[in-house]
Formats: sequence, C-alpha cells, structure tokens
Amino acid sequence: GDSVTQMEGPVTLSEEAFLTINCTYTATGYPSLFWYVQYPGEGLQLLLKATKADDKGSNKGFEATYRKETTSFHLEKGSVQVSDSAVYFCALRVASGTYKYIFGTGTRLKVLA
Amino acid sequence: EPEVTQTPSHQVTQMGQEVILRCVPISNHLYFYWYRQILGQKVEFLVSFYNNEISEKSEIFDDQFSVERPDGSNFTLKIRSTKLEDSAMYFCASSEGQGGTQYFGPGTRLLVL
Repeated sequence: GDSVTQMEGPVTLSEEAFLTINCTYTATGYPSLFWYVQYPGEGLQLLLKATKADDKGSNKGFEATYRKETTSFHLEKGSVQVSDSAVYFCALRVASGTYKYIFGTGTRLKVLA
Repeated sequence: EPEVTQTPSHQVTQMGQEVILRCVPISNHLYFYWYRQILGQKVEFLVSFYNNEISEKSEIFDDQFSVERPDGSNFTLKIRSTKLEDSAMYFCASSEGQGGTQYFGPGTRLLVL
C-alpha cells in the first residue's frame, strides 16, 4: 500500500546551519506531496506542496522537489533559525475516493542559538 | 486567517467511558476528516465526511467510533467505550473541495487510563 518514510529525529542544528530532512514514498498512481509543520501547542500547518513530478514547493526559505525517479521529497533550508524548531511531517495525498493523506512519523527539529 | 479549532485540548478518561471530541472546521469547507497519532507513531487517517455521511473510513474506525455534524459548525468524533489503545492525539481537518488542501486543527490529546 501507499506509505511515507521519514528520517528519524530528533535533529539538532545550530542556527544558520543547512537542514535536510529526508522523505521517501511508495504510491500507486500520481500522488501529491506535502510538508506540514507543527509548532509547539499548535496544529499541523501546511508548509509547502508539490503536485507533480519535478515540481518544487517552497515557502519561508524551505524547499522540496518532487523526484519521481527516486520517489523522494526531501525538505531543505539553507539557513535555519531558532524559530524553525518544530516537528515536520511529510505526507502524500492519494487519489482515492476522498483524497486521504498518508503521513510519515514526523521529524523533530531543534535549532540552538 | 480562518482556522480549524478543536476542543478540548486535553482529555483524560477512564477505560470504558465515552468521549466526544469536538472540532469547528473552516466555515466554507465541505469535507471533514479525523486523523490520529499514537505517541511515536505515524499520523493515521480515520474517517472522512461529506454531505452528512461518511465518505471513507479506515480499518481503525470500528463500531466504537462515530462522527456527526450536529449543526452547521461543529464536527464531532465519538468514541463509545474507550480502550487504553485509544490514547493518542486526534486531529480534525477540513478542505474546501474533495482534492483541496486539508487544514488541520491543533489536536486533542486523549489519555485513557
């Protein structure tokens, strides 16, 4: 069945470091791919998305490219800030009857000043 | 910016008791969802709801679970007789259209003792 695999956390970085959080997926058909972020005490917020192969989603300095050949959607940011500390979820949306989302386990990022 | 809200933020209950988790979706959205995340595990789809009926449900969503839209604004998840393994974070989400981006609430953390 469809699934998402994320790298294990927590990830601890110093401010201004480069961030990569790996995400790979298994899906039939042509899923859309998403990154959601959860800040402490808040809900899941959409960070970025890509709906077809080679699309690049970007927002707030974060980027991810939909790579069909490697079935990946890795999240990157060139220079992280303390305010980026949160849990990041990779997800895919299947084209089922209701377009349900399938999530990874989430990766906790902690950025130190 | 419109957002999905959920109440309560935390709920502690005894095994065998009924709980009702409440959600207020974004006002012009027509599709509603419940997901849950057991601690340390993936966010899992439970059920989707449209036009006052369930569109799709997962194998987790057994007879102990039910959903309802009792009025024009609330969307509820009822667990009839809670089990220890129901302890999890429950997320509500809504989308404007069937394939639209899902917007998530902050979650209700349920602890069954």
